Amino acid sequence: GQNIDQPTEMTATEGAIVQINCTYQTSGFNGLFWYQQHAGEAPTFLSYNVLDGLEEKGRFSSFLSRSKGYSYLLLKELQMKDSASYLCAVLSGGYQKVTFGTGTKLQVIP
Amino acid sequence: GAVVSQHPSRVICKSGTSVKIECRSLDFQATTMFWYRQFPKQSLMLMATSNEGSKATYEQGVEKDKFLINHASLTLSTLTVTSAHPEDSSFYICSASEGSGEKLFFGSGTQLSVL
Repeated sequence: GQNIDQPTEMTATEGAIVQINCTYQTSGFNGLFWYQQHAGEAPTFLSYNVLDGLEEKGRFSSFLSRSKGYSYLLLKELQMKDSASYLCAVLSGGYQKVTFGTGTKLQVIP
Repeated sequence: GAVVSQHPSRVICKSGTSVKIECRSLDFQATTMFWYRQFPKQSLMLMATSNEGSKATYEQGVEKDKFLINHASLTLSTLTVTSAHPEDSSFYICSASEGSGEKLFFGSGTQLSVL
């Protein structure tokens, strides 16, 4: 089976930096996604990590350690519009199955 | 970027009726499509994996006779909720992957309300 854990909620201040962690246990790991989802909308793609290390894309960065089953999403220069749920998802298996974590609801406050 | 079209976006139906939701990949061939449901304030729960031309693979606890999935072509998958009941009310989202599946493209979701 698969087990993906994220904090349920986080609060951060506008302009600050926040790190959202994700730990996972899975067989046949192929990669890890981060998605942003606003309430009532479909998720939007943020990043995809296959190899260990940090990938930076503008204000967002994602890190992966396969040996530790650990990833984090780093958001810099937080804006109010960044208030959303952030979903960690693991790609695994022959059918490229994607399993989502419980999601972290981030609230950005002034 | 690739686009996945899902409709209807919202449907309200009476208990006992069946509802069909369509998911189309508009500019790529989707070898695999996924169907999720999401309850308020919860994450997406994978219901089934649909491969073109073969039977869908359902997750544990998902009734295949209630949630009928058809993936008849490389651009279309349908989810039919049969004999819908109020507890089936949920947000249903499809996603499609192209080729190796490194990137998922999501439909806009369907809010189903069963009265």
